[in-house]
Amino acid sequence: DQQVKQNSPSLSVQEGRISILNCDYTNSMFDYFLWYKKYPAEGPTFLISISSIKDKNEDGRFTVFLNKSAKHLSLHIVPSQPGDSAVYFCAASATNAGNMLTFGGGTRLMVKP
Amino acid sequence: EPEVTQTPSHQVTQMGQEVILRCVPISNHLYFYWYRQILGQKVEFLVSFYNNEISEKSEIFDDQFSVERPDGSNFTLKIRSTKLEDSAMYFCASRVPGTRNTGELFFGEGSRLTVL
Repeated sequence: DQQVKQNSPSLSVQEGRISILNCDYTNSMFDYFLWYKKYPAEGPTFLISISSIKDKNEDGRFTVFLNKSAKHLSLHIVPSQPGDSAVYFCAASATNAGNMLTFGGGTRLMVKP
Repeated sequence: EPEVTQTPSHQVTQMGQEVILRCVPISNHLYFYWYRQILGQKVEFLVSFYNNEISEKSEIFDDQFSVERPDGSNFTLKIRSTKLEDSAMYFCASRVPGTRNTGELFFGEGSRLTVL
């Protein structure tokens, strides 16, 4: 089941530069998308979300872009900081599918000082 | 800051044994969830729970699994007869009422289950 896919298992970025994490989905019923961040030995932490009625949502250094026609979303982190180093999960849900979140496989971001 | 707490952090059990994983959700949250992540794989939805009953469950959540909220604070996941493939990190999550139905879940740190 690859309804939500993160094609890059890892990404390395220099501190201060932009990090772009990508996510693709196949289920056209998905209408709400979220990004979670996970440190080792911790649970996922909610970062930012976007509804399908929008194409952009911004919160501080984090911006999520949604391209519905391409079934693609991305998370931009500007500027990247070493503390951003973690695994980032994209997740999606559908209103008519109730409470279930479908997660991507995650992208490990490493921000180098 | 309020948080979801899970116990135990790690449990090792023999195949066929019963396991109970415990969670204390954030106090004003009303929706509760269990997810799991097998090593190297995706985080997968198991079950959601609201108003003292299961509201949704995935194919993974078969008859070997059960959930309950025995005392109004704890939220437990029971696996009746563990199999090797149940080895995973199990995450409890909760959310407040009124947010988008799946947005902004607060996750616990997870309970690692190892079945030998």
